[in-house]
Amino acid sequence: KAGVTQTPRYLIKTRGQQVTLSCSPISGHRSVSWYQQTPGQGLQFLFEYFSETQRNKGNFPGRFSGRQFSNSRSEMNVSTLELGDSALYLCASSLVPMNTEAFFGQGTRLTVV
Amino acid sequence: QQQVKQSPQSLIVQKGGISIINCAYENTAFDYFPWYQQFPGKGPALLIAIRPDVSEKKEGRFTISFNKSAKQFSLHIMDSQPGDSATYFCAARAGGGADGLTFGKGTHLIIQP
Repeated sequence: KAGVTQTPRYLIKTRGQQVTLSCSPISGHRSVSWYQQTPGQGLQFLFEYFSETQRNKGNFPGRFSGRQFSNSRSEMNVSTLELGDSALYLCASSLVPMNTEAFFGQGTRLTVV
Repeated sequence: QQQVKQSPQSLIVQKGGISIINCAYENTAFDYFPWYQQFPGKGPALLIAIRPDVSEKKEGRFTISFNKSAKQFSLHIMDSQPGDSATYFCAARAGGGADGLTFGKGTHLIIQP
């Protein structure tokens, strides 16, 4: 079966702009989590969505937001981009919230210039 | 988020040798400990996972050893192969996954032929 699909794979944005990233989970998976990966901070939890509701959120500013649609697809949005937002953004899907098996997509590489 | 401390940062092992990566945690609420493998340009892939009621779990060449009293767990890769060269992350999840997965900083493993 198809894995987790993230689009786009690469993005270059200018400081101050906003960006939307998309994640399509594995078919049948209803939970989507987002993570930010940087060389300095490693992998950090952003938030998780289940049944179109944000279930929990990590320690990130309000500029980071997301949503989930009825088909379980999820988007995350970052407004007023800062240079420090440059990172690999990873989406993970699981059957139910933070199930014991979370499958990651390949990520979206965001570069803020 | 509670930390998960991972060591070493990088590791070079000869082909056929045993690779050992260690992790330590503080939060006794963690109830699930997965290991992820990440190749360049790819998202992390779940390798093997353990719960604290088990002291060891083996899947093929990969073994997790878990020491609940010491709050430590480790990944052993037996008969290491060049194809195992990747970055490995340990992670932990508190009950219910309210804060998502907490990841270690990663170990860059190189298997020399």
